[in-house]
Amino acid sequence: GAGVSQSPSNKVTEKGKDVELRCDPISGHTALYWYRQSLGQGLEFLIYFQGNSAPDKSGLPSDRFSAERTGGSVSTLTIQRTQQEDSAVYLCASSLVGTSNQPQHFGDGTRLSIL
Amino acid sequence: DQQVKQNSPSLSVQEGRISILNCDYTNSMFDYFLWYKKYPAEGPTFLISISSIKDKNEDGRFTVFLNKSAKHLSLHIVPSQPGDSAVYFCAASGGSNYKLTFGKGTLLTVNP
Repeated sequence: GAGVSQSPSNKVTEKGKDVELRCDPISGHTALYWYRQSLGQGLEFLIYFQGNSAPDKSGLPSDRFSAERTGGSVSTLTIQRTQQEDSAVYLCASSLVGTSNQPQHFGDGTRLSIL
Repeated sequence: DQQVKQNSPSLSVQEGRISILNCDYTNSMFDYFLWYKKYPAEGPTFLISISSIKDKNEDGRFTVFLNKSAKHLSLHIVPSQPGDSAVYFCAASGGSNYKLTFGKGTLLTVNP
């Protein structure tokens, strides 16, 4: 069966441009998470979806970051007016349900580079 | 404030020997702990987990031990194989908080 799929795998863009990152979770998984990993750091939580709603957006670093999920499946993370500090690997994960005792399964990430 | 700490950035072991990776945490609300393995340019792969009601969980060559009083967990890999060479992340979640808090990872190198 397919795992979590993310696109694009790499994105290079100029400072100030908007970018959209896409995540296709594992079929049947109701919970979806976005994390990012900056150079030399551990993974940092960004946002959590249960179905189409986002009960926890606490990790989004600024109002330039937004995310949505439609049909309880695909999610897009949008970064507006990108800055160099946004350069990181953005990882998406999904789990069967959004409880603390469910393992999260990750995609291979989108490596974002802001010039 | 780092709630999950992996104090060894790297570890090198001989093939066939035991690898022991350590992790400490500070948040007493954490009740579920996981280990992930990550190869370059790939996402983390779930390895093994343990609930706080247990002190040991075993899956093949991988065993995770949890010492709640010390707020410490460890991952044992026996016997270690060259294909185990990767970065290993410890993660934790708990209470109503489903989000994972990660350590910074330990690079394991298994030498043939």
